[in-house]
Amino acid sequence: ETGVTQTPRHLVMGMTNKKSLKCEQHLGHNAMYWYKQSAKKPLELMFVYNFKEQTENNSVPSRFSPECPNSSHLFLHLHTLQPEDSALYLCASSTRTSGLYEQYFGPGTRLTVT
Amino acid sequence: GENVEQHPSTLSVQEGDSAVIKCTYSDSASNYFPWYKQELGKGPQLIIDIRSNVGEKKDQRIAVTLNKTAKHFSLHITETQPEDSAVYFCAASSPGGGADGLTFGKGTHLIIQP
Repeated sequence: ETGVTQTPRHLVMGMTNKKSLKCEQHLGHNAMYWYKQSAKKPLELMFVYNFKEQTENNSVPSRFSPECPNSSHLFLHLHTLQPEDSALYLCASSTRTSGLYEQYFGPGTRLTVT
Repeated sequence: GENVEQHPSTLSVQEGDSAVIKCTYSDSASNYFPWYKQELGKGPQLIIDIRSNVGEKKDQRIAVTLNKTAKHFSLHITETQPEDSAVYFCAASSPGGGADGLTFGKGTHLIIQP
């Protein structure tokens, strides 16, 4: 276990549904990230939060909405998704402010959009 | 921005033999190079990393080498075992880049043949 947990592990949703992914880190880190992992593609960075402030949004469609209420929790709210959004969504955390770059990943949520 | 190329995409070796995975990067300012291992159904796990002030780092059967002049770095696994079978990702970090500058390669599926 890396100290980063994600729920749910699997999610099937229709295109008109609204759902949320949750991430929690128990490592005392200051930065949290959302990545999308699709087959045969590099990990795609979606959002970065540092001390609860969003510092990066890599041109992600507005149907993905992140929320970071504190430095230990990160959410990804989903609505009106498309089938091409089906992927593994990974959360990661790091001690960004210390100058260290190690990112620790959770197990991911396997999302299927029908 | 940074671009990371990773080869090969699939590597099959006999148990006990060595495996080498290579990555190249484009941004000469990159200074941190982690390697991640991802097993089926799990998130990527950091296995070793190297910073630009050293040329080689070793941890038991795993070693990473860095050639800053040529802008490439490699992962070496010796005496491979069945549990080494997984997908391996390299990454490079540029100072001031997003998400602490981590750009990932597309991954190498390592298969250890018994």
